[in-house]
Amino acid sequence: ETAVFQTPNYHVTQVGNEVSFNCKQTLGHDTMYWYKQDSKKLLKIMFSYNNKQLIVNETVPRRFSPQSSDKAHLNLRIKSVEPEDSAVYLCASSYGSSQNTLYFGAGTRLSVL
Amino acid sequence: QQKVQQSPESLIVPEGGMASLNCTSSDRNVDYFWWYRQHSGKSPKMLMSIFSNGEKEEGRFTVHLNKASLHTSLHIRDSQPSDSALYLCAASMHYNQGKLIFGQGTKLSIKP
Repeated sequence: ETAVFQTPNYHVTQVGNEVSFNCKQTLGHDTMYWYKQDSKKLLKIMFSYNNKQLIVNETVPRRFSPQSSDKAHLNLRIKSVEPEDSAVYLCASSYGSSQNTLYFGAGTRLSVL
Repeated sequence: QQKVQQSPESLIVPEGGMASLNCTSSDRNVDYFWWYRQHSGKSPKMLMSIFSNGEKEEGRFTVHLNKASLHTSLHIRDSQPSDSALYLCAASMHYNQGKLIFGQGTKLSIKP
């Protein structure tokens, strides 16, 4: 049962454009994440928020910025996309503890031409 | 350098056979391990977790953990075609809440 909702499913854009991805979870979790899955299927964490507070900020280019309005929403904005940004962006949520399971959304596939 | 290493990269097992997947962390701070399964075109879903030394069994799936060597393994008995998927090992540290580190995955194919 899907409880982490991502929009859009796909997005095709050109180099230099700005894109925004949305994520909402209805599980009542307090922690949300953005992961990037590349063409080799490697999943890398980008950002993590706990109760609207940024707790993990991996080394990602400055053109990426997360936005959290409340603990159920975490959006991702890319200011000026580059070809290497082509990937699947997965949103996930969990309860805060490191022992708790991540629930992933279906992902947003970004293609940069 | 990848902190979570999985082997093999890909594995072909006949239907009804046993699949064995391995995962090791190079970070001594790792405390917890998970196994996620990702079917083609779908998002990862948690399969099993293990936090203590020893073995844990759920149906056809068994996970082992050796904390001293930071090695975990996943074994699938009586493999079914529906088990064909990418299996991702993940690890986290107790002090680093919110950061789950994934391995590169093992692609498992079950041949009927």
